[in-house]
Amino acid sequence: DTAVSQTPKYLVTQMGNDKSIKCEQNLGHDTMYWYKQDSKKFLKIMFSYNNKELIINETVPNRFSPKSPDKAHLNLHINSLELGDSAVYFCASSQDYEVETQYFGPGTRLLVL
Amino acid sequence: QKEVEQNSGPLSVPEGAIASLNCTYSDRGSQSFFWYRQYSGKSPELIMFIYSNGDKEDGRFTAQLNKASQYVSLLIRDSQPSDSATYLCAVQWGNKLVFGAGTILRVKS
Repeated sequence: DTAVSQTPKYLVTQMGNDKSIKCEQNLGHDTMYWYKQDSKKFLKIMFSYNNKELIINETVPNRFSPKSPDKAHLNLHINSLELGDSAVYFCASSQDYEVETQYFGPGTRLLVL
Repeated sequence: QKEVEQNSGPLSVPEGAIASLNCTYSDRGSQSFFWYRQYSGKSPELIMFIYSNGDKEDGRFTAQLNKASQYVSLLIRDSQPSDSATYLCAVQWGNKLVFGAGTILRVKS
């Protein structure tokens, strides 16, 4: 069984489009995260939810909107996609704030043309 | 601004040698330090974490922490070609991890 899954795995789209990425974890964790990894491999946190409550909201354009329908799911919706949004987006989960239990999903590779 | 610095590499070592990866961080208040390994096209995976000054060993891996110097390192003994990857240093501040840009390690057989 996959611990943290993301869909889609690859996403190629045009500038200006709106797209969503979905994440699900079956680890029973309470906390979920979205990270962005750019072309230089720099991994940066975007958002974190604990039991469906937004805990971390980094300086991210408001075109990015996370949503957690329950503690096993965390989705990311992106409006009006820009070239600079091209990156790999990783979902992760952990037991509460125990970072040593943080487990990453396989990533969604987004390419904006 | 919380910053984590790593030499991007690549660091090339021959098979069987010790690979030494280094990381410095900007804030003395941080308490927890992590090393992740990321193979090309894959997600990061945690290989070690350390909280206290000194050394922590796990198999071929040793993490070293010096809070006074704001320095954390990872030693990989008996390096194998399968260790070739990007190694990410991460520091916990509050509820979040701040990552360095990673060091590319290449182990040559």
